[in-house]
Amino acid sequence: GNSVTQMEGPVTLSEEAFLTINCTYTATGYPSLFWYVQYPGEGLQLLLKATKADDKGSNKGFEATYRKETTSFHLEKGSVQVSDSAVYFCALYTGGFKTIFGAGTRLFVKA
Amino acid sequence: GAGVSQSPSNKVTEKGKDVELRCDPISGHTALYWYRQSLGQGLEFLIYFQGNSAPDKSGLPSDRFSAERTGGSVSTLTIQRTQQEDSAVYLCASSVTGTGSIYEQYFGPGTRLTVT
Repeated sequence: GNSVTQMEGPVTLSEEAFLTINCTYTATGYPSLFWYVQYPGEGLQLLLKATKADDKGSNKGFEATYRKETTSFHLEKGSVQVSDSAVYFCALYTGGFKTIFGAGTRLFVKA
Repeated sequence: GAGVSQSPSNKVTEKGKDVELRCDPISGHTALYWYRQSLGQGLEFLIYFQGNSAPDKSGLPSDRFSAERTGGSVSTLTIQRTQQEDSAVYLCASSVTGTGSIYEQYFGPGTRLTVT
């Protein structure tokens, strides 16, 4: 079946450090891939997406590249800020209506 | 514009009582979803409404859970005879459409349910 696996958190970084949050997936067909972010006390919101192999999604300094050969969609940011502290969810969509979400990775950024 | 709203934001209830959780989706969104987020777990899909079609209830964990959507807008998730394992954050999301397209889901802030 379809599934998403994310690295376990929490991830703790100092401000301006480089961020990588790993995400791998299992899916039939050609899924679209997403990263959602959940700030404290808020609902999830879409951060970026990629709809086909080798696409790069980007937003707010975050990037993720759809790698079909490694079935991965790792989230990266070159220099994190305290305001990036949140929970990040990797997700995939293969058609129909259902989006499959990973377990989420909590990020703490220290000043 | 207004986003997805949910009420109450927090609910503490005794084991065995019934609870109702409310979701107001974004106006014009035809698709509505309920998810459950347990501590340390991902989002667990519960139920999906699309327009006037019969809802997909395949994710509901037991017959104690039910949901309805009135007039194609507001939705209520009802949990009967609550159990401690029902404690979680219940998230509602809506989107412009559901099937056949790449779409973004807009989430509400959630209702944190604690069953004592």
